[in-house]
Amino acid sequence: QVQLVESGGGVVQPGRSLRLSCAASGFTFRNYAMHWVRQAPGRGLEWVALIWYDGGNKYYAESVKGRFTISRDNSKNTLYLQMNSLRAEDTAVYYCAKGGEWVYNMDVWGQGTTVTVTS
Amino acid sequence: SYELSQPPSVSVSPGQTASITCSGGKLGDKYASWYQQKAGQSPVSVIYQDTKRPSGIPERFSGSSSGNTATLTISGTQAMDEADYFCQSWDSGTVVFGGGTKLTVL
Repeated sequence: QVQLVESGGGVVQPGRSLRLSCAASGFTFRNYAMHWVRQAPGRGLEWVALIWYDGGNKYYAESVKGRFTISRDNSKNTLYLQMNSLRAEDTAVYYCAKGGEWVYNMDVWGQGTTVTVTS
Repeated sequence: SYELSQPPSVSVSPGQTASITCSGGKLGDKYASWYQQKAGQSPVSVIYQDTKRPSGIPERFSGSSSGNTATLTISGTQAMDEADYFCQSWDSGTVVFGGGTKLTVL
């Protein structure tokens, strides 16, 4: 079955970096756009980034632009999120999500990985 | 920046119809999606492209859009439908979520 498994979360100090991974299985990864979405404790969903199926186009939320980089390795069926210059407000559960037949719909979500930025 | 507005909470009695609205200036030109998130779980897509229902989603979930408002309707609401619901759309390559609506089934 279609599955997304995030990893790489943890506790990190402000200003430091972290790289999240999302391992995909059960579908042809290289054919679909992928998203990162986060959810701060007790808050709603916040879209973070989108990457086209071939990595040719990338889009970011204003709140992370210039600090976060989305990428993918289609040979490894893996999505990444490189997070630099982390801030306390980046503390959240980070989900990867598969774009659907309409790229802006997220039809499958992972279980999430928690990032805590604290000194 | 583009924003989507949802009511913070909606209450419904079991078996009744629940409607959750999502308002945004560009919804008249853009598709909307809806996600259900139960406590402690990941979101699940329940409606996409305004009216389409993913496989496995019960028929009691439906979506509509008129003008700058998208609506998620749950007919014959069940206790298991109690959850947070988020609308979502896009503009200029970026994605935006509404603030979410907590559906309580009383």
